[in-house]
Amino acid sequence: NAGVMQNPRHLVRRRGQEARLRCSPMKGHSHVYWYRQLPEEGLKFMVYLQKENIIDESGMPKERFSAEFPKEGPSILRIQQVVRGDSAAYFCASSPTFGQGNQPQHFGDGTRLSIL
Amino acid sequence: DQQVKQNSPSLSVQEGRISILNCDYTNSMFDYFLWYKKYPAEGPTFLISISSIKDKNEDGRFTVFLNKSAKHLSLHIVPSQPGDSAVYFCAANGGATNKLIFGTGTLLAVQP
Repeated sequence: NAGVMQNPRHLVRRRGQEARLRCSPMKGHSHVYWYRQLPEEGLKFMVYLQKENIIDESGMPKERFSAEFPKEGPSILRIQQVVRGDSAAYFCASSPTFGQGNQPQHFGDGTRLSIL
Repeated sequence: DQQVKQNSPSLSVQEGRISILNCDYTNSMFDYFLWYKKYPAEGPTFLISISSIKDKNEDGRFTVFLNKSAKHLSLHIVPSQPGDSAVYFCAANGGATNKLIFGTGTLLAVQP
């Protein structure tokens, strides 16, 4: 399967715990995007990364959220001290190049995060 | 600030007929528009896109029309099939980082 791989598919955490969401982009893709979908809403951009660099984090909450895309391994979205409002579906997308609108982003199937 | 709007939360169409999904936007600087289809518990799947310098793009049963003066685009599916039943998201791509701005989606139900 050469698609975007996200894991886990479902993650349950208690308030105050940490959540780590992983994303492996499609083979040959070096650009990774994270989006969040709250219930009954569209997807909202959070962060855009290339290998070892955060390019645009304008959609990321300033506190508790961080993202990385190391030289080796998957991209990680980390949420510290989770709260009920963090319950959502988190989608990762990848694309092969930057800056061309006709290079569609390909999405993974998401991680559904539930906070108890 | 909702830059991309899909005002119809749902649409029901008979199999074989045309489905028309609509999308409005506010930012004239967007340079590409895309449509994604999403089934429950899956990620969005890319369908078709259109550059802001075009007014029409066609791919099989799917055609996207862009009216820049009205800041409006539409997705036509002809003929509609039951397997087309899904949520359709309109998205705009613009700015330096290629991030997508999504509408809230339209749930299409194609009745057999």
